[in-house]
Amino acid sequence: NAGVTQTPKFQVLKTGQSMTLQCAQDMNHEYMSWYRQDPGMGLRLIHYSVGAGITDQGEVPNGYNVSRSTTEDFPLRLLSAAPSQTSVYFCASALILAGQTPENEQFFGPGTRLTVL
Amino acid sequence: GENVEQHPSTLSVQEGDSAVIKCTYSDSASNYFPWYKQELGKRPQLIIDIRSNVGEKKDQRIAVTLNKTAKHFSLHITETQPEDSAVYFCAASIHASASKIIFGSGTRLSIRP
Repeated sequence: NAGVTQTPKFQVLKTGQSMTLQCAQDMNHEYMSWYRQDPGMGLRLIHYSVGAGITDQGEVPNGYNVSRSTTEDFPLRLLSAAPSQTSVYFCASALILAGQTPENEQFFGPGTRLTVL
Repeated sequence: GENVEQHPSTLSVQEGDSAVIKCTYSDSASNYFPWYKQELGKRPQLIIDIRSNVGEKKDQRIAVTLNKTAKHFSLHITETQPEDSAVYFCAASIHASASKIIFGSGTRLSIRP
């Protein structure tokens, strides 16, 4: 199993550009999530999904869109990049218990380091 | 609101001593509390977790305690070693429209030789 994979590893954008960060997992996990990591701010939840066709907002959703058309993939779209979106982005996945609770180990991808100029 | 607070933000201990990191949470319905370790330049990885029906859990040199009444939980590392140097994150399940996992802001632990 490859686990959770993310592409690209590094990306530099100009203000106003759009792009999609890719995330895929091969563990058949229903729960997938996106976090951003900034110095001193920990891991902040952007969006999450409890299954194909179901997404919800996390703590810092503004400026980002997600979709979940398959169990395996959970792309994160930056609509119009801003310097405040410079960060390291992690995708994670987990099994879901009954009642749509992801109270299991989250497996993280290797991260994407994004710089917006 | 939904948040998890973590203290201290940095911690330096002598090798062989114990380290304690504390977290509080706001959602009284939270019932899952994992701890993750992140080494420099790497992804976070789960080191231990605890559920609300348990007050304490141990795994070798690592233990976690939970006080549901006070809504706080702690990570204890005994006999610290150089390889324990890392950033540690606590987290809690938050029950909204669908459950999600919210993280604390992290603790950078340094082990002095």
